[in-house]
Amino acid sequence: DGGITQSPKYLFRKEGQNVTLSCEQNLNHDAMYWYRQDPGQGLRLIYYSQIVNDFQKGDIAEGYSVSREKKESFPLTVTSAQKNPTAFYLCASSLKRAFYEQYFGPGTRLTVT
Amino acid sequence: AQKVTQAQTEISVVEKEDVTLDCVYETRDTTYYLFWYKQPPSGELVFLIRRNSFDEQNEISGRYSWNFQKSTSSFNFTITASQVVDSAVYFCALSEARSTGNQFYFGTGTSLTVIP
Repeated sequence: DGGITQSPKYLFRKEGQNVTLSCEQNLNHDAMYWYRQDPGQGLRLIYYSQIVNDFQKGDIAEGYSVSREKKESFPLTVTSAQKNPTAFYLCASSLKRAFYEQYFGPGTRLTVT
Repeated sequence: AQKVTQAQTEISVVEKEDVTLDCVYETRDTTYYLFWYKQPPSGELVFLIRRNSFDEQNEISGRYSWNFQKSTSSFNFTITASQVVDSAVYFCALSEARSTGNQFYFGTGTSLTVIP
């Protein structure tokens, strides 16, 4: 089945540690995205990539880093510089950057204590 | 300024009632696309519909219908005969073709609760 996978579903980390969230898609989509969602809030764009080896900052990129070495994969690293990392993280992909619907993974709920 | 406004934060209806979720957008482009997504309690956003700016025909899919009015910059979503399974957060979104930066804007969502 085609789709987007994110792992793990729940992740717990100690403050001060970097953590990498996985996102893989087999939809052959060019564009991929990372969003953060806080309880009762909407989606905020962290980073997006429209093609391999290219990525751009979104609205809240500070404290996060990404890579896009393969078309199928767009991992997100939450660094120790991110002041409030506890949140629900959603990865998405779309055929192209503009005009096409984004398909979402199941999300990773990160808790940092 | 918000590109996509969903003024209704929370709505509660009794099962079998009809409910309309409002979405107002802002753009200067003549070509753009509008979307609706459903986020059930599990968390994953589910794509519902994509509509381009040149197609103002209303769309119906089962109990779901969408009303697109360019004159009022609105793209409202109606659920007919609501069911408990419709309980979710619904997001409206707009996509523009900008050369740089983000091209996809989500509203803040409307939380719908259907009471049995």
